[in-house]
Amino acid sequence: DAGITQSPRYKITETGRQVTLMCHQTWSHSYMFWYRQDLGHGLRLIYYSAAADITDKGEVPDGYVVSRSKTENFPLTLESATRSQTSVYFCASQDPPEPQHFGDGTRLSIL
Amino acid sequence: QKEVEQNSGPLSVPEGAIASLNCTYSDRGSQSFFWYRQYSGKSPELIMSIYSNGDKEDGRFTAQLNKASQYVSLLIRDSQPSDSATYLCAVTNAGNNRKLIWGLGTSLAVNP
Repeated sequence: DAGITQSPRYKITETGRQVTLMCHQTWSHSYMFWYRQDLGHGLRLIYYSAAADITDKGEVPDGYVVSRSKTENFPLTLESATRSQTSVYFCASQDPPEPQHFGDGTRLSIL
Repeated sequence: QKEVEQNSGPLSVPEGAIASLNCTYSDRGSQSFFWYRQYSGKSPELIMSIYSNGDKEDGRFTAQLNKASQYVSLLIRDSQPSDSATYLCAVTNAGNNRKLIWGLGTSLAVNP
């Protein structure tokens, strides 16, 4: 039971570079979510997807791009990374009405 | 602005005591309520979900929901040092019941 996996677990990159965070789930859940978690802000929704080829913005989408060509994958791309995007990123999936379940997270540092 | 409020803590309790964590929410149309536990450096882990008024028990955990007063609480009986973590309250957005509104979490420390 692999569940939901995120890669890489840790990433260091430089400002202006493009970086893609991967999220893969084996449950065939319809919904997938990307969050970032920062001290003082808690979990904030970046983007979510209700099904393959259906995505929608969350609370803080600027500077991020997502795609969902297959149900099991939901990559998050930072097109031109900025220091303010240094954060811990969590992917979650959900099979409604069941609750969301989270991956282990990616710790991203942008220098 | 729809909000979920939690006392940030830290809440400190002795081992074996009852820990009581509270959460209030502003969106009266919210229908689903969740408690997640997050250990330092780890991802949130679902502990309890509750959908109707009253109490729901699962082992040492009890979730309590009062929609009229717009609060949900989590009781942890016989607290253990391994319960030391941050507890996140999450509530569905009534306009889109797949999106969660998150509290900032309450830090719990259980002292041996």
